[in-house]
Amino acid sequence: GAVVSQHPSWVICKSGTSVKIECRSLDFQATTMFWYRQFPKQSLMLMATSNEGSKATYEQGVEKDKFLINHASLTLSTLTVTSAHPEDSSFYICSAIQGSQGQPQHFGDGTRLSIL
Amino acid sequence: AQSVTQLGSHVSVSEGALVLLRCNYSSSVPPYLFWYVQYPNQGLQLLLKYTSAATLVKGINGFEAEFKKSETSFHLTKPSAHMSDAAEYFCAVSDRSSSYKLIFGSGTRLLVRP
Repeated sequence: GAVVSQHPSWVICKSGTSVKIECRSLDFQATTMFWYRQFPKQSLMLMATSNEGSKATYEQGVEKDKFLINHASLTLSTLTVTSAHPEDSSFYICSAIQGSQGQPQHFGDGTRLSIL
Repeated sequence: AQSVTQLGSHVSVSEGALVLLRCNYSSSVPPYLFWYVQYPNQGLQLLLKYTSAATLVKGINGFEAEFKKSETSFHLTKPSAHMSDAAEYFCAVSDRSSSYKLIFGSGTRLLVRP
């Protein structure tokens, strides 16, 4: 149980393009979803926390207009990288949590984004 | 602020040897503690969690971790390493008084020699 699906797993696109990444909880309702960015050989950096039906809470230094998050339902959150540039190339990972404190976050398999 | 320290960015063991990956947290109030494993180009998979029940927690793939409040530690162990255990391991904490956010350690890459 507790499966999180992230799509696409890999995307290559030209500079200036907007890219949408989907994160779905397949067998549970996610009260909260998280978006992370991971640089090579580094730990995960939290970008934003997303609750269904409300605006995402962004971490300090993360551009809200650059990284648009929509959490339309209890099973789907999307991250849109707008007008992507090469410096946005990275590994993006989502996670979802169900219910109360102490429950673990369940992670998607990540999206490798490469901007040419 | 809560922080997590993983000593050793790389740990190398022989196949069949004991695995010990270290994790220390900074909170004076015991937080929720987690160990995750990440294989190349994949997301994170939960190995085990501590939420205030038994201090010795058993996880998947033969891993276990012991919560020691006096040492503010939550080290991960496995009696006998397997080649398939080679991966990146992350310790994470969640503050009981805040949101569901996780604070991650910097990670430890486990290398298993044949």
